[in-house]
Formats: sequence, structure tokens, C-alpha cells
Amino acid sequence: AQSVTQLDSHVSVSEGTPVLLRCNYSSSYSPSLFWYVQHPNKGLQLLLKYTSAATLVKGINGFEAEFKKSETSFHLTKPSAHMSDAAEYFCVVSAASGNTGKLIFGQGTTLQVKP
Amino acid sequence: GAGVSQSPRYKVAKRGQDVALRCDPISGHVSLFWYQQALGQGPEFLTYFQNEAQLDKSGLPSDRFFAERPEGSVSTLKIQRTQQEDSAVYLCASSLGPGRPYEQYFGPGTRLTVT
Repeated sequence: AQSVTQLDSHVSVSEGTPVLLRCNYSSSYSPSLFWYVQHPNKGLQLLLKYTSAATLVKGINGFEAEFKKSETSFHLTKPSAHMSDAAEYFCVVSAASGNTGKLIFGQGTTLQVKP
Repeated sequence: GAGVSQSPRYKVAKRGQDVALRCDPISGHVSLFWYQQALGQGPEFLTYFQNEAQLDKSGLPSDRFFAERPEGSVSTLKIQRTQQEDSAVYLCASSLGPGRPYEQYFGPGTRLTVT
């Protein structure tokens, strides 16, 4: 069975400094991995996705993530945090069984950006 | 274009009442998913429709939960005899097709509070 573990429940950075949100995955198959962002009182928005093409994936708003099979990791990074990046971030794997595409979410990481 | 919409946005129910939550997916989207997000947690899969067929209901927590999508577009999630543990945000998502490559677009959710 697939699963994801987000290693930090809360990350705090200063505006203009780098962001690193950590995620490890477990999968018997070649996984499809995603990062979603959830702003307060707004719907989940896809930041980026990995589907077995390039291991370095670029997403919206300057975010990127690198798929590392040897480390079973899919960490999310951004070179310079902006105040508007403060939100909840979810690392997600797509379940392989049944080919429905149902998503399995991590517990989430709250990103705080200090001025 | 219009995204996924859900109604009501907020619902307060007394324990034992029945509730119905509505989801309007993006027009033309074949796949529809329901997820439950408890406070401070990541969303968890409830059920999946491909057009009008409910192909996966493995995540429904009890037989009090029932979902339908009779004409392959609008979907309703019904919870009978609500309990306090049903309090959560219920998210609906739709995608163009089944399978992993397709992005799921999420609605804003319905926040259900059972008193």
C-alpha cells in the first residue's frame, strides 16, 4: 500500500529565505506524487506533480520538488519565501490499485512566513 | 471557467439528523471523488464515481454514509443519523478521466458540525 509521511507538522521561515518542506513516500509501484496547497477557507490547489518523467519538477509560484527514488523522498522547495506562501501544504501519492486515481494525503505541514 | 462548487458551505446538524451535501463538478469531468478532512488532518478518501457508476466506496466509514451521482454530473453525499465524529470538512474533487495522470480539481468544501 502507498503512504506519505510529512516530516514536519510546522515550518517557520522569514520572508525572502528558502523554504524546505519534507516528504517521504512508501510505494510498491512507481508512484505519482503531488504537492497541494490549502489556503484558509479556500480549496486545495495543485502546486506540482511527478509522474515518472523528469525527476526535478517545477510548479506554480516558484515551487519545485525533486523525486529521489533512492531516498524515497519528494521534498518541496522554494528559493525565497513570500508572505502569500503561508498556508497548509500536503504531500500526496496516487493510489495504484484500481486505477481510480484516488489520492492519499500526508498529515500536512503548516508554513508560517514571518516578515 | 467555473470550478467545482459545493453546497452548503457550512452545515450545522444536531446529532441524529440526516444531512445531504451537494457537489457540482466541472462540466465534462468523468471522475468524481469525495474526501473527508478532519480538523488538523489531511483529507481521506471516501468514494469514487466514474460517470454515474460508483466504482469505489472503500473509504465510507459506515453504512450511514451514502453517495450517488445518478446522471453522471452532480453528486450528493448523504449522512444519516449524524454523530459527533462526523464533524469534518467534506471535499469534492473532479477530474477529466480515471487514472493517475489526471489532475483532480477540488471544491471549497462543506464544513459539517454535529452538535
